Amino acid sequence: AQSVSQHNHHVILSEAASLELGCNYSYGGTVNLFWYVQYPGQHLQLLLKYFSGDPLVKGIKGFEAEFIKSKFSFNLRKPSVQWSDTAEYFCAVALNTGFQKLVFGTGTRLLVSP
Amino acid sequence: EPEVTQTPSHQVTQMGQEVILRCVPISNHLYFYWYRQILGQKVEFLVSFYNNEISEKSEIFDDQFSVERPDGSNFTLKIRSTKLEDSAMYFCASTLAGTFDEQFFGPGTRLTVL
Repeated sequence: AQSVSQHNHHVILSEAASLELGCNYSYGGTVNLFWYVQYPGQHLQLLLKYFSGDPLVKGIKGFEAEFIKSKFSFNLRKPSVQWSDTAEYFCAVALNTGFQKLVFGTGTRLLVSP
Repeated sequence: EPEVTQTPSHQVTQMGQEVILRCVPISNHLYFYWYRQILGQKVEFLVSFYNNEISEKSEIFDDQFSVERPDGSNFTLKIRSTKLEDSAMYFCASTLAGTFDEQFFGPGTRLTVL
């Protein structure tokens, strides 16, 4: 069965620090990859997605992610975080077929201190 | 910007009671989903729905659960006889094109079973 691992459950950074959140998945077929963010009190919002093409994808708010097929990874990065990036971040994977059921990682809670 | 809405935001019920969670997907979307997140755990897929029928369901989605699109706008999740372990946040999502599209999530309904 598909599974998604996020290795960092809680991350605390100071403003302007760089961020990298790890995401690995276990599935050998073609997948679509997503990062969702949930700000306090808000619903899940899409940060970025990868379906095909350039493995380095750029999303909203300065986030980017790199798909490394050989490592089954889709790590999220941001060069300089802001206090407003405090949120929970979820990596999700879907099979590139069918009705695209999302399989989520456990989430990473990011706290950015001003 | 169009968004997915869910009602109620919080539902408290007694064990054994039936509950109906309501969702209004984005109006031109064709694929609908329910997910749930038990406190401290992953977001888990429950069911996907397309063309007025279930397209896929998880092991969690047993005979106690049902979904319906009773009219052109609502998408409901019914739990016939709630159990304590059904306490969770339930998220509705919708998408226009299924496989190659992002899912838009609602704000969730927190279900508490006493």
